[in-house]
Parts: sequence; C-alpha cells; structure tokens
Amino acid sequence: EVQLVESGGGLVQPGGSLRLSCAASGFTFRSYIMTWVRQAPGKGLEWISYITSSSSAKYYADSVKGRFTISRDDAKNSLYLQMNSLRAEDTAVYYCARDKSGDDRTLDFWGQGTLVTVSS
Amino acid sequence: DIQMTQSPSSLSASVGDRLTITCRASQSIRTYLNWYQQKPGKAPKFLIYAVSSLQSGVPSRFSGSGSGTDFTLTISSLQPEDFATYYCQQSYSTPVTFGGGTKVEIK
Repeated sequence: EVQLVESGGGLVQPGGSLRLSCAASGFTFRSYIMTWVRQAPGKGLEWISYITSSSSAKYYADSVKGRFTISRDDAKNSLYLQMNSLRAEDTAVYYCARDKSGDDRTLDFWGQGTLVTVSS
Repeated sequence: DIQMTQSPSSLSASVGDRLTITCRASQSIRTYLNWYQQKPGKAPKFLIYAVSSLQSGVPSRFSGSGSGTDFTLTISSLQPEDFATYYCQQSYSTPVTFGGGTKVEIK
C-alpha cells in the first residue's frame, strides 16, 4: 500500500525557517517524481515544487523560488522541503504527492498534509 | 502560466442528481487534464487522468470529457459520499495549475 506521511510543520515567525519531511513507503520511491502542493486555509490547491527521480531536475513556483528548496534521499525513501524566509502568506497545509508513473505532473497519491503557520 | 477556471464555484444538489462541473484552460492543454476530489480536512484524492481515464477504484458514475480548452466532470447519480470539493488540474506544462474548485453541497 502506498503511504506518504508528512511531518515537520508547526508555528514559525515571519522570516524563519522550517524543514518539512515526507516519508514514503509501499512503492519504489527512487523511481518516481515527487511533488509538494500547498493549500492555504479555506483556499484552493497550489503546486509549489517537484523533483525528478535521481534529483536530476527541480522546479519551483514563482511564489517560493529562491526561498524554498526541494530535495530527496532515496536511501531513506524521503522527500524534503526546506523553507526559508517564511512569510504570512506561506501559511498552509503542505502535501507531498507522488507523480503517476508515465504521466508526469499527475498526482496519484497524496499524504495527509502538515500544517505550517507563519505568525508572530 | 496556464490559468484553469472552474464553474460553478459551488452548487447544491440532491442524492441521485446528475451533476456536471466545467473546467476551462486559458490555452490548449490537449488532453492533459486531471480531476481530484477533496473532503473537508482530508487530502485530495485522485479521480480521473487524461480527461477521461478513471483511476483504479473510482466508481463508474464518474466520467470526464473534453479536449483543448474545455472539459467537464460528470457524476451520473450523486451519492452521499460524493459531497466534496472537486478540482481540475492541467498536467500539460510546468507550473502545474489547478482550478479554483467546485464545492458540491447537499440541497
């Protein structure tokens, strides 16, 4: 069974940093593109970043470019999102998701999400 | 970036109703269109990919159609578990973009 479990969310002050993790199981993690999507309270879904298998390429939304860094550790079956220079508008539930094999940018499994609150 | 526009943003319906949600892309995305369902407090669930292909386990009352810029999600007979918010998403190009969502509520 495919499972994605996010962790690392919490309350952080504006300008602060946070590192999110996503532990994957039930599939061959190293073979899949992985994605982060966020959802601000009461709002819709916003794609923010993805990383290809073997970390050969990384992409970011303009809203987080230069502040967030996506990475993965295939030996640990884990995906990460390092978030720096956090702003109030980064407050959201952050989901990790797996890209469907053969259908890039199609998200077939999602974690339960972790809440990040940026506030003083 | 490709803009995705869903309509309506919300609707009220009854169990057994036939329901159609529309999604429009700001430029042609060919058939790179996916649908997700999200219930309150839960992660999105993947329903349909490539316009009309149902993800494994998704009931056949769900269907999708369209190509180019105009797409629809249809639920042939609404069930109690279908009350949720539905999002379309284009997978044609990066950045991936989602529609604003359609909230389906009980009438």
